[in-house]
Amino acid sequence: GAGVSQSPSNKVTEKGKDVELRCDPISGHTALYWYRQSLGQGLEFLIYFQGNSAPDKSGLPSDRFSAERTGGSVSTLTIQRTQQEDSAVYLCASSLDTGGWSGANVLTFGAGSRLTVL
Amino acid sequence: AQSVTQPDIHITVSEGASLELRCNYSYGATPYLFWYVQSPGQGLQLLLKYFSGDTLVQGIKGFEAEFKRSQSSFNLRKPSVHWSDAAEYFCAVGRMDSSYKLIFGSGTRLLVRP
Repeated sequence: GAGVSQSPSNKVTEKGKDVELRCDPISGHTALYWYRQSLGQGLEFLIYFQGNSAPDKSGLPSDRFSAERTGGSVSTLTIQRTQQEDSAVYLCASSLDTGGWSGANVLTFGAGSRLTVL
Repeated sequence: AQSVTQPDIHITVSEGASLELRCNYSYGATPYLFWYVQSPGQGLQLLLKYFSGDTLVQGIKGFEAEFKRSQSSFNLRKPSVHWSDAAEYFCAVGRMDSSYKLIFGSGTRLLVRP
C-alpha cells in the first residue's frame, strides 16, 4: 500500500483480556518494527522483523507480549492478559532494510493503535 | 549504550520567531541521526536525516539540522515558525547491529503562540 496501515486505531479493553494489533507495511518493505509510546514518553522499541524472522525481540517487556509476521507482510502484535500499564500507543514502522543505513533504509511509521486498558 | 537526550520537554515560541530544538546523543561511532515530527493523532513523519557528509542538513517544511561531533549534538532549527509547526518533535539515532532500529529521545513538544 501507499503507507503503513495499522488497525484498530483505538482499542479499549478490560484488564486481563487479550488484544491483537495489526500492522500492514508498505508493499515491498522487508523490515518491520513495533514501538510503544506511553503517555508523555518517547518511543520504546519492542521488536524488529526481517522478513518473517524476528532477529531482535529485545524490547518486548514481558512474556505476555508476542508478535508474528506472515508472508513477509502483515504483522500482529498480541498482548495477553492485559494490564493497565500496557495502555499506550503502539506504532508500527517499515523500511526497505537494504543492509545499512542509507537513503532507502528509512523507517516509515503508521498512525498507531491507541490501547486503553480499564 | 546508545542514548538520545532531548533536554527540553516543552518549548513555546511566537509565530514568526526562530526555533531551535536541542538533541544530544551518545554513540561510539559515526551516528546516523534523524528528526521526526508527530502531529496530534498522527504517526511520525521524517523531517530530515544525517548519514555523512555536509554537517548542515536540509529537511522538509523549512527545517534544518546541524551535526556537531565535538558537542555530540544534532539540533533542529527553523528560521520562522508557523502555527502549523505545533507538534511533538523526536530526535533519534540509528543503530546498526542485529537490527537497524532507531533509539528515540523523549521528545520536545512545541507550542506556537499566535
